[in-house]
Amino acid sequence: AQTVTQSQPEMSVQEAETVTLSCTYDTSENNYYLFWYKQPPSRQMILVIRQEAYKQQNATENRFSVNFQKAAKSFSLKISDSQLGDTAMYFCAFGTGNQFYFGTGTSLTVIP
Amino acid sequence: KAGVTQTPRYLIKTRGQQVTLSCSPISGHRSVSWYQQTPGQGLQFLFEYFSETQRNKGNFPGRFSGRQFSNSRSEMNVSTLELGDSALYLCASSSLGKNTEAFFGQGTRLTVV
Repeated sequence: AQTVTQSQPEMSVQEAETVTLSCTYDTSENNYYLFWYKQPPSRQMILVIRQEAYKQQNATENRFSVNFQKAAKSFSLKISDSQLGDTAMYFCAFGTGNQFYFGTGTSLTVIP
Repeated sequence: KAGVTQTPRYLIKTRGQQVTLSCSPISGHRSVSWYQQTPGQGLQFLFEYFSETQRNKGNFPGRFSGRQFSNSRSEMNVSTLELGDSALYLCASSSLGKNTEAFFGQGTRLTVV
């Protein structure tokens, strides 16, 4: 079975500081993608960053980067220079085929 | 290009009724997936349609059903509504190929009273 676990239901960070959100997953697949999605109060799910499992290099997207540890099945998200607009629910997701599995989310609050 | 459109945005229904939600994917996308989002449960996969065929199905009772039309628009139906069906229902579309990014609509907030 494919599962995604986010063990931090809520987190907070001071504006301009760095925060790391944790995610672990379980799968027997070899070919898959990992994603972090952001869901602000508007409820619109927005893709933050994507990592192909076959790539060893960690993905980065401006202030967002991941630490992908394939053997440990770990996929954490680092947000640098946190901004007020980063306040949202963050979901880690694992994709195989066109089916995606999501964690339960981490609610991140950026404090001014 | 237009994003994923879900209608209606909000619904209030009574227990025992049935409801139909609609999703129009991004133009050119043939895969449409449905998810149920409830507090503390994250997003639970309902089903995925591709070219009018259901390819994958999550662990939901038979009261939850869906279909996809030739223009890739999809509908999901929930019959005999229960209080526990109150949730945000999200639709996502993606293009051909495996493991591609899912683009989400803004969801339909269903409240069952």
